[in-house]
Amino acid sequence: DAKTTQPTSMDCAEGRAANLPCNHSTISGNEYVYWYRQIHSQGPQYIIHGLKNNETNEMASLIITEDRKSSTLILPHATLRDTAVYYCIVRVVHNAGNMLTFGGGTRLMVKP
Amino acid sequence: DTEVTQTPKHLVMGMTNKKSLKCEQHMGHRAMYWYKQKAKKPPELMFVYSYEKLSINESVPSRFSPECPNSSLLNLHLHALQPEDSALYLCASSQDGGSGRGVETQYFGPGTRLLVL
Repeated sequence: DAKTTQPTSMDCAEGRAANLPCNHSTISGNEYVYWYRQIHSQGPQYIIHGLKNNETNEMASLIITEDRKSSTLILPHATLRDTAVYYCIVRVVHNAGNMLTFGGGTRLMVKP
Repeated sequence: DTEVTQTPKHLVMGMTNKKSLKCEQHMGHRAMYWYKQKAKKPPELMFVYSYEKLSINESVPSRFSPECPNSSLLNLHLHALQPEDSALYLCASSQDGGSGRGVETQYFGPGTRLLVL
């Protein structure tokens, strides 16, 4: 699976959009981009995933560049409860098992 | 119901003890996972079960012994652990562990926080 690079930490004001970047310059054509987050002392929580097109769900939007070498997770109106570590993961779906390889993640602090 | 439950929430054990961690899901998922997470580090995959068979063992020491008695339950048996094994142990499940039919979401439990003295 391709390696990802994320900023170690970011701050965001409550009510503003939080834009979390992820670099995955070695991504290959059959690898998906996943985002999970982990709120303190809880298990990771799935947010969104995509292959080529931009995706949106009730939690967030995922913008993938045309060359697929980077992506941005957007939380449109961040709240204090969005304070968490956000993991960008790139992986291939294969038959040997649904493996998630977590990188360092971005620690997002939403401030009042 | 998208819940994965884990018991106990906290566990303290000595290096000579034998204990077990339990994980349960009722989403009809056929793949279950154990991850280990040290403080301030990302989770690391330990084991994957797919259709109650062990499909991936990430070179985990034999003092950790997984067991999948049925499709809803996953255990992790612990014996002769070391203090460096102290960590948060996370269980997760997904639809069927990657049959090639498409991407899957993994649902995580809250974890068991283990302290080995």
